Amino acid sequence: DAGITQSPRYKITETGRQVTLMCHQTWSHSYMFWYRQDLGHGLRLIYYSAAADITDKGEVPDGYVVSRSKTENFPLTLESATRSQTSVYFCASSEPRLARYEQYFGPGTRLTVT
Amino acid sequence: AQKVTQAQTEISVVEKEDVTLDCVYETRDTTYYLFWYKQPPSGELVFLIRRNSFDEQNEISGRYSWNFQKSTSSFNFTITASQVVDSAVYFCALSEDSGGSNYKLTFGKGTLLTVNP
Repeated sequence: DAGITQSPRYKITETGRQVTLMCHQTWSHSYMFWYRQDLGHGLRLIYYSAAADITDKGEVPDGYVVSRSKTENFPLTLESATRSQTSVYFCASSEPRLARYEQYFGPGTRLTVT
Repeated sequence: AQKVTQAQTEISVVEKEDVTLDCVYETRDTTYYLFWYKQPPSGELVFLIRRNSFDEQNEISGRYSWNFQKSTSSFNFTITASQVVDSAVYFCALSEDSGGSNYKLTFGKGTLLTVNP
């Protein structure tokens, strides 16, 4: 099915481990985004990408790394996970160049860092 | 700087009641875009509607309607004859057109709507 998918949907990892969250979209949208959602903070932008090989920081980028070698994929890596990175992570995509400003979200990844 | 305020943190209604979710925004741009998203208990974020700043017509889609008023910087969402399936967190969001930043959404904190049978 077309759309935006995330994997894994649930992940438990230990403090200090590296973990990568995957995001894949089939719409060929130029923009992709990573958010984290925490109680009391709402949705906060971690990183975004305007196209393949173009990425930029959002509101809360520290401790995260992204890459985008292909338009359809936008992985998010936690280089050394900390308990404060326990959260629900959402990937999203949009195509503002075609006046499609709304973002479409993946199902989310619930990450627990122990 | 752009800002979205959803003053209602939680609303609880009984099924079949009408309910309005408030959204007030701040922006210096003359061209901007407003959005509503729904997040049901299952957790996914579902896009509901986008409204452009130059189009002040209200929108109705089934039991849902949206009232956009530039004069009060509000973009309120009304659910008519609410149903239990409407129970969710609803987010209002804003993006501005200037400086090439129309890709970026600023979200409100969300309103938790509970519809009781």
